[in-house]
Amino acid sequence: QKEVEQNSGPLSVPEGAIASLNCTYSDRGSQSFFWYRQYSGKSPELIMFIYSNGDKEDGRFTAQLNKASQYVSLLIRDSQPSDSATYLCAVNEGRRDDKIIFGKGTRLHILP
Amino acid sequence: EAQVTQNPRYLITVTGKKLTVTCSQNMNHEYMSWYRQDPGLGLRQIYYSMNVEVTDKGDVPEGYKVSRKEKRNFPLILESPSPNQTSLYFCASSLGQGGTTNEKLFFGSGTQLSVL
Repeated sequence: QKEVEQNSGPLSVPEGAIASLNCTYSDRGSQSFFWYRQYSGKSPELIMFIYSNGDKEDGRFTAQLNKASQYVSLLIRDSQPSDSATYLCAVNEGRRDDKIIFGKGTRLHILP
Repeated sequence: EAQVTQNPRYLITVTGKKLTVTCSQNMNHEYMSWYRQDPGLGLRQIYYSMNVEVTDKGDVPEGYKVSRKEKRNFPLILESPSPNQTSLYFCASSLGQGGTTNEKLFFGSGTQLSVL
């Protein structure tokens, strides 16, 4: 069974600091990696995706991928209270392009 | 507006009473999927469809049925609901071109189901 692991949290970060969220995956063949944000009682929304090793930046968000170590991370700079949410890591199953596996999510709490 | 529409938003029912949760997307997406979300268990895939008349089981298909007669609609059917199907359900879609789903998933707003 392919797995995507995340620390459930909660991760508490002071406002204005950098929040670092981590995710590891078991399938070495995975090629596509996603970060979704989910506010309480709401549906997930995509905030970042990354396909290649290295960093990808979009505004205050940076996704980092290391395929050799099988981990993907999300950095949130200048954290705001509105960033308080659950962050879901999602990874495609390498041998099946039609399968996305979600981690259980990390709860992030930004302290004002 | 591009969206995935689920109905109803909330549903309370009793054990054994058949129900259908509807899902419709207006983006001409080929890929559609149903998930359930439970505390501590995350999002788990129930069924998915790569195109019209093509459906496949996800990780937790027992007790559910789906159909894909039209590209835009992907209803979830519970023939005989049981209390362990009490959960938050999400429908999602993506472009799905070329038989892949390596693109953004668009989620519906969710259906909170309670089976008494």
